This record gives sequence, C-alpha cells and structure tokens, in this order.
Amino acid sequence: NFMLTQPHSVSESPGKTVTIACTRSSGRIASNYVQWYQQRPGSAPTIVIYEDNQRPSGVPDRFSGSIDSSSNSASLTISGLKTEDEADYYCQSYDSSWVFGGGTKLTVL
Amino acid sequence: QVQLVQSGAEVKKPGASVNISCKASGYTFSDYFIHWVRQAPGQGLEWMGWINPDTGITKYAEKFQGRVSMTRDTSISTAHMALSRLRSDDTAVYYCAKDRVYSLDLWGQGTLVTVSS
Repeated sequence: NFMLTQPHSVSESPGKTVTIACTRSSGRIASNYVQWYQQRPGSAPTIVIYEDNQRPSGVPDRFSGSIDSSSNSASLTISGLKTEDEADYYCQSYDSSWVFGGGTKLTVL
Repeated sequence: QVQLVQSGAEVKKPGASVNISCKASGYTFSDYFIHWVRQAPGQGLEWMGWINPDTGITKYAEKFQGRVSMTRDTSISTAHMALSRLRSDDTAVYYCAKDRVYSLDLWGQGTLVTVSS
C-alpha cells in the first residue's frame, strides 16, 4: 500500500495564507480522490475538503484543495487565517485500503 | 438530527476483548458504509476497516486482520467493532464514521479504550 506524507507542523499569522502538502509515496495522486479533515483538540475530525477540491456545505470558502500530478501531491490552502483554524489537519486517500497522512499541526499566531 | 453515537469508555486488561457500538440516526443506515478509525494518545488517525451495513461485507486493514470483527444490526441501525487480544498499544480513541463515498462526512464522538494491567 502507499503512504501519505505531511509536514508535522506549520505556523502562520492571522490573515495570512498557509498551504499544507500531502505527498503520495506510490501510485498516482490523481488516481484516487484526496480528502482533508480538521481536528480540534478533544474533538472528532470533521471533513473540510472532499474529492480533491470540493467543500462541504458550511465550510468557509477560505478552505481550498488541489492536486499536483507533477509532485504527486495534494494541498490544502487556508486563506485569511483565523485563530479558530488552529487545529490538526489530515489528508486521506485510498486504493485497496484507506490511508491517512500523519497529520499537520497548524498554529495561528 | 444526523448523528453517530458511540458507546462509553472502556478499561480492559491485556489479552481481553473490547466491543464498541455505534448507533446511527437521522439517515438510512443501510445506505452508507461505516468505517472505524482509531487514534492513539498524541498520535494520528489510523484506518481499521469498513462494513457495508446493507450486506454485512467487511474489509479490514491488514494490520488488524484476525483481531478485528465488524458487524451490524440493521434493526437498530447500529454498527459494532470488536477487537481481541488487546495490548497496551491498542490504547486509543476509537471512532466510527459514515462514508459518503470515499470520504467520511459524519463521525461519532469517539470511545476511549484503555488497555492496562
């Protein structure tokens, strides 16, 4: 099976834009949809992006997703950062099994 | 409302088994797969497997093959996950989640399982 690799942590200031990458170790990133989940401390994850770049209702349009076949990676971009965006973010994809990335801790300071 | 409600926290001894339930409400239980995902303290999310509530067909992550069993009772819209031969590194929060087709759009509140002698 493949792995999804994310940076352990990123930090950025309120109002700025941050991008979190998720690199697939084998197989094409475009072969299977990528999802992104937000997890605040003490809470269950919630989905913020599905099918590479789709936003569920209720998720602000400050959140966007994309894939880049040249780097075999997916990205989550959050613009106009707010302190409430501070959380762990996980990418997820699948082939014969489902796989989560290791998670990225976003600090907004 | 649409929700998944899980059973309460468990404390188990090494070698024992645990059974966690996940009750669905607000949608047609049989229409969407249920996945189980766990999270060890301070660690990331780990996928354990899924069950098709309509057919009962399951798929488990290779790591848990032989130790995990996922079942469902459609009469009460409830999924169950049993994990046997528990070890200390099975200490984690276990989540059930609804699959909207390749993404998990609804999660239970989580069930803490502590394995300790």
